Amino acid sequence: QKEVEQNSGPLSVPEGAIASLNCTYSDRGSQSFFWYRQYSGKSPELIMSIYSNGDKEDGRFTAQLNKASQYVSLLIRDSQPSDSATYLCAVLRGAGGFKTIFGAGTRLFVKA
Amino acid sequence: ETGVTQTPRHLVMGMTNKKSLKCEQHLGHNAMYWYKQSAKKPLELMFVYSLEERVENNSVPSRFSPECPNSSHLFLHLHTLQPEDSALYLCASSQRRNTEAFFGQGTRLTVV
Repeated sequence: QKEVEQNSGPLSVPEGAIASLNCTYSDRGSQSFFWYRQYSGKSPELIMSIYSNGDKEDGRFTAQLNKASQYVSLLIRDSQPSDSATYLCAVLRGAGGFKTIFGAGTRLFVKA
Repeated sequence: ETGVTQTPRHLVMGMTNKKSLKCEQHLGHNAMYWYKQSAKKPLELMFVYSLEERVENNSVPSRFSPECPNSSHLFLHLHTLQPEDSALYLCASSQRRNTEAFFGQGTRLTVV
């Protein structure tokens, strides 16, 4: 089992729709959770961080964390073609030493 | 000045060459990282420096040698690389270890 799992996609949504990106993780002791966006040929850029259960909203982005289910998600409202990118989930693992583990990413395609 | 700057952006080297990648951060952060990103694989953490002390080395082959002379600069010295080392090498920094990371634009390395 991978430590951080994401559906590789591509996830295709129409412009204006809500895009839902999901991530599961294996270490119950994980403490911090991050979403990064990576455009093709570019480096990752931080979108959101979340540390406690529940929702955290920032503009069109909402991160959701459920530690009991070991699940973190990112919702993008009113999706725009410029949101088309790969979204990386990253988890700060507690077991075996603090270490940030990245998922392989989900490719999102927003159709105009 | 952008937050995290990497040079060169592209590098082609033969297997017998010696080269160095450079990273500089202007964010006043105390931790710096080297990551490797290969096609269709998750980001792999190679090295972590915190307050100029190497705190993590994830079983990286000795043909990769990091150097952190101060909290703003990080180098990755390369020698006798293999074609499978071709990848995007990303530098990142964070305020403290394992907090939100900010990435440089990466060096696209090709070993021929």
